[in-house]
Amino acid sequence: DTAVSQTPKYLVTQMGNDKSIKCEQNLGHDTMYWYKQDSKKFLKIMFSYNNKELIINETVPNRFSPKSPDKAHLNLHINSLELGDSAVYFCASRASGDTQYFGPGTRLTVL
Amino acid sequence: GENVEQHPSTLSVQEGDSAVIKCTYSDSASNYFPWYKQELGKGPQLIIDIRSNVGEKKDQRIAVTLNKTAKHFSLHITETQPEDSAVYFCAEYSGGGADGLTFGKGTHLIIQP
Repeated sequence: DTAVSQTPKYLVTQMGNDKSIKCEQNLGHDTMYWYKQDSKKFLKIMFSYNNKELIINETVPNRFSPKSPDKAHLNLHINSLELGDSAVYFCASRASGDTQYFGPGTRLTVL
Repeated sequence: GENVEQHPSTLSVQEGDSAVIKCTYSDSASNYFPWYKQELGKGPQLIIDIRSNVGEKKDQRIAVTLNKTAKHFSLHITETQPEDSAVYFCAEYSGGGADGLTFGKGTHLIIQP
């Protein structure tokens, strides 16, 4: 069974649209994350979420907003999509230790 | 974490030879150093990690060394096999900032048959 899952795997959309990416973890972890991997494969933290506390990387535009309906889910909502948002987005989760487990990624293409 | 430098960006070795990837970090508060392997079209997968109170850790063909004084850590893969071909990322964690991992820019490891 997949520990961290994301849907959809691929997302193609037009500029200006609003879209969401879903993430679920069945590991019982307390903390979840969103990372962005750009075209040069550079991975950068966007958000971390733990027990209703959201920590935001200050470089992330406020068009991006994570929402957690429950402890096992952290969805990423993106408003007014721009060309530069095209990237692969990874969800990850962590228990009380340091190890982070990553999902398979969602490749977002903005046309 | 603040910044992680990773070298080389591309590494080509003959099958059976060893591969070494090196990283340096700048945040003195860093206390956890994982290495991830990313295959094409997949998410990063943890292959080994080390904490700041340990200098070396080994798991079969993979080993990681940490020099806290110099702020260096390295990944060593021995007896390389074709399935080792992938992009490898070093990372560090200090709990500060956005509370996530700070990654190096990756090393594309190519195993030549």
